[in-house]
Amino acid sequence: EPEVTQTPSHQVTQMGQEVILRCVPISNHLYFYWYRQILGQKVEFLVSFYNNEISEKSEIFDDQFSVERPDGSNFTLKIRSTKLEDSAMYFCASSDSPRGNEAFFGQGTRLTVV
Amino acid sequence: AQTVTQSQPEMSVQEAETVTLSCTYDTSESNYYLFWYKQPPSRQMILVIRQEAYKQQNATENRFSVNFQKAAKSFSLKISDSQLGDTAMYFCAFDSNAGNNRKLIWGLGTSLAVNP
Repeated sequence: EPEVTQTPSHQVTQMGQEVILRCVPISNHLYFYWYRQILGQKVEFLVSFYNNEISEKSEIFDDQFSVERPDGSNFTLKIRSTKLEDSAMYFCASSDSPRGNEAFFGQGTRLTVV
Repeated sequence: AQTVTQSQPEMSVQEAETVTLSCTYDTSESNYYLFWYKQPPSRQMILVIRQEAYKQQNATENRFSVNFQKAAKSFSLKISDSQLGDTAMYFCAFDSNAGNNRKLIWGLGTSLAVNP
């Protein structure tokens, strides 16, 4: 069964460092998303991406964040200068339609900023 | 603003019994989608069941069914014949039909333990 894969599963980084979280969406999907979940809090939408550009982003997704689909298969989330409050689980998802149908999620990357 | 509320942080059920997880939401829209996702210890979010708001019939998927009460903005999940593998976090999520983009709004989740 096709699946969304995320790497790494866990990343520890020092405050102020740049991190890149990687995702390989399902191959025929066209819509891509990043969500995050701070421990004990709700899963929060960060950004949606379609046709090589951002479709929508949340207030959380400020200038420190960027997304890219560099090679047609990977979908990356970059945090330029990490803060302690960026520590969270980051989930990538993809779907074949903009809404309604199932969004397939990866297993998440646990980011710990120290 | 749309919100999703899951009022039961933790629940437990005996194997083979039935359990119902609650979810309420708030929206001014009339057409939208609702989902229940399961997150087992492997952490992957797995879709359990989906409901389209314009459909009056409650969705069912094998042992999983929903009680969708649109007027009350309630979307509960019933798990029948609970199995040990059902032990997981369960998240209720709302997908607006406004605009062209999916943006799931999530509840806090309910941790379900199925006991042998």
